[in-house]
Amino acid sequence: DAEITQSPRHKITETGRQVTLACHQTWNHNNMFWYRQDLGHGLRLIHYSYGVQDTNKGEVSDGYSVSRSNTEDLPLTLESAASSQTSVYFCASSRTGSGNTIYFGEGSWLTVV
Amino acid sequence: GIQVEQSPPDLILQEGANSTLRCNFSDSVNNLQWFHQNPWGQLINLFYIPSGTKQNGRLSATTVATERYSLLYISSSQTTDSGVYFCAVGGGSQGNLIFGKGTKLSVKP
Repeated sequence: DAEITQSPRHKITETGRQVTLACHQTWNHNNMFWYRQDLGHGLRLIHYSYGVQDTNKGEVSDGYSVSRSNTEDLPLTLESAASSQTSVYFCASSRTGSGNTIYFGEGSWLTVV
Repeated sequence: GIQVEQSPPDLILQEGANSTLRCNFSDSVNNLQWFHQNPWGQLINLFYIPSGTKQNGRLSATTVATERYSLLYISSSQTTDSGVYFCAVGGGSQGNLIFGKGTKLSVKP
């Protein structure tokens, strides 16, 4: 079955370290997204991509970067982790176009100490 | 950008009761989806419904695009319906969505 997987599922890191969260989907979807979820804020869009070599900033992109070298993967990098980036991170994907169901990974719990 | 407001923020029901969750949005949209986040954190898509009415078992949803709101109906609620329900909307040509803050539903046995 096609799926979307995130790794690691849980990580604790220190302030200032670089961290990369992986996202891999086998749906062959062109659209991929990274969201963060925090109490009181719901889900907020960090970055998104509509295809290979395409990346775009979302609502809360400061301190994060993404790259899209193939259809299946959209890794999210925290260049220098900060305590404010402690959160649950969700990767998602959908087919090209606005009217398609979006599918979420199971989330990555990141704690920055 | 588009603003999304969900109400009520919290809802407690007895098993078997019915409920209506509301989503208001501030601008015209061409994409509206409802999601359920279960107590383990998994996000499941319930409906894609930018307009009209859809039903899936005990759940149904209606979106009145001209009045900028959507309703999610849960009938004969079960404890497994507990979790957070999110409304998400989009107005662009692709799939990036803006989420509301959710309605937390607790169904008591």
